[in-house]
Amino acid sequence: DTGVSQNPRHKITKRGQNVTFRCDPISEHNRLYWYRQTLGQGPEFLTYFQNEAQLEKSRLLSDRFSAERPKGSFSTLEIQRTEQGDSAMYLCASSLTSLLDTQYFGPGTRLTVL
Amino acid sequence: DAKTTQPPSMDCAEGRAANLPCNHSTISGNEYVYWYRQIHSQGPQYIIHGLKNNETNEMASLIITEDRKSSTLILPHATLRDTAVYYCIVPSGAGSYQLTFGKGTKLSVIP
Repeated sequence: DTGVSQNPRHKITKRGQNVTFRCDPISEHNRLYWYRQTLGQGPEFLTYFQNEAQLEKSRLLSDRFSAERPKGSFSTLEIQRTEQGDSAMYLCASSLTSLLDTQYFGPGTRLTVL
Repeated sequence: DAKTTQPPSMDCAEGRAANLPCNHSTISGNEYVYWYRQIHSQGPQYIIHGLKNNETNEMASLIITEDRKSSTLILPHATLRDTAVYYCIVPSGAGSYQLTFGKGTKLSVIP
C-alpha cells in the first residue's frame, strides 16, 4: 500500500501521560499536515511541514503539542501531559508541492484520554 | 471559518444519482473547489477538484456554475458504500495550505 500510514491506529492513555504518534507520508510527498478531529466536527488544521521545516502552526497547537519531521520523511506528533480534552482523532495528510497541492489523508490515530 | 455552505444532510436511493450542492459565493478567481468525503471512522478521502470547467473522474462529476459561486458534486449511481460526510472546501490560499473543513453534508444512501 503506497498511501499515508499512521501508527498506532488507537491509543488509550491516562490523563497526564505523554503520547507520540507517527505518520509516514506518501513517498516523495514533501508536504505533511496534521489535523485533529473531535466527535461530530470536521477536521481542524494543526500544523504543516514542507520537507523538514515546520512552516505553519495553528493556535490550536498548544505548548503541550510538538511535531517534528527530522529528515523530511516521516513525522511525529507528541502530546505531553495529556488532558481529557485531547481525546480526538489525529489525522495526517501529505501532498506533493504543486500549484494544486491536493492532500491525501491517512486513516488517523484515535486517542482516548481517561 | 469555512468559505462554503452545505446542507447538513441528504438522502439518496441506492442506484440513483446523488447531487450534493455547495455555495461558495466569496470564492476568488484563482481559487479551486475541492471535494472530500469521510466514511465513518476513516480519514477524509479526496474525490475531485475544479476551477471553472466541469470535471469528471472515476468517482464523481463536479459541476461549477458560470459565476463560480456554487457547485454540485454528482455521484451518478450511488451505492451503500457512498454513505459518508461530504465536504466542499475552498482552500485558504495566500500562502496557507491548510484545508478548512466545515460540517459537510451527511449523505445517507438508502436501499
